[in-house]
Amino acid sequence: GAVVSQHPSRVICKSGTSVKIECRSLDFQATTMFWYRQFPKKSLMLMATSNEGSKATYEQGVEKDKFLINHASLTLSTLTVTSAHPEDSSFYICSAREDRYNEQFFGPGTRLTVL
Amino acid sequence: AQTVTQSQPEMSVQEAETVTLSCTYDTSESDYYLFWYKQPPSRQMILVIRQEAYKQQNATENRFSVNFQKAAKSFSLKISDSQLGDAAMYFCAYRSPLYGGSQGNLIFGKGTKLSVKP
Repeated sequence: GAVVSQHPSRVICKSGTSVKIECRSLDFQATTMFWYRQFPKKSLMLMATSNEGSKATYEQGVEKDKFLINHASLTLSTLTVTSAHPEDSSFYICSAREDRYNEQFFGPGTRLTVL
Repeated sequence: AQTVTQSQPEMSVQEAETVTLSCTYDTSESDYYLFWYKQPPSRQMILVIRQEAYKQQNATENRFSVNFQKAAKSFSLKISDSQLGDAAMYFCAYRSPLYGGSQGNLIFGKGTKLSVKP
């Protein structure tokens, strides 16, 4: 099956710093990618939909200036958590929708810890 | 807006036995897709099975099968011959068709934690 990678898998940062998470579709093109957030023992919550070459669409309640999304190519989307605070600590998961057959594939996730 | 409900926060099954996980959803759309995802402790989301709403036949993948009741808006997952490796969180998910303006994002239920007893 198609593979989606996320980097880094785990990151610890100090409060006030910015962290960038990369999501790559390794063997397929993905015009559309999704960013989810998952709290411990909770479900996945859609944060935003990322489209190549255009601005991301954010879900209600998600601060677009805090969670910057860039989808500069058909295989890469990035999520930057700006001025991170401890409440931003969470598990972030991306998924990529394969262009040909519209199947969606998930990355392995990134655990962010803000001290 | 569409919603997905999983009413069983936790379930337990004896190894080699059968277990059924429940899922109901609410939608006004007639065409859509339903999924069951497995999330083991590694937290990698794994697609277990999918069902297209226009198909009357229930989807089956080896030991996994669904009972899709469109009128009742019910989509349960049956796991036969349960194995220790089946222990995980299971999420039911809904997706709208792409032609309706949706970009294909998934709407998840809250999940059911399945334990398998040896």
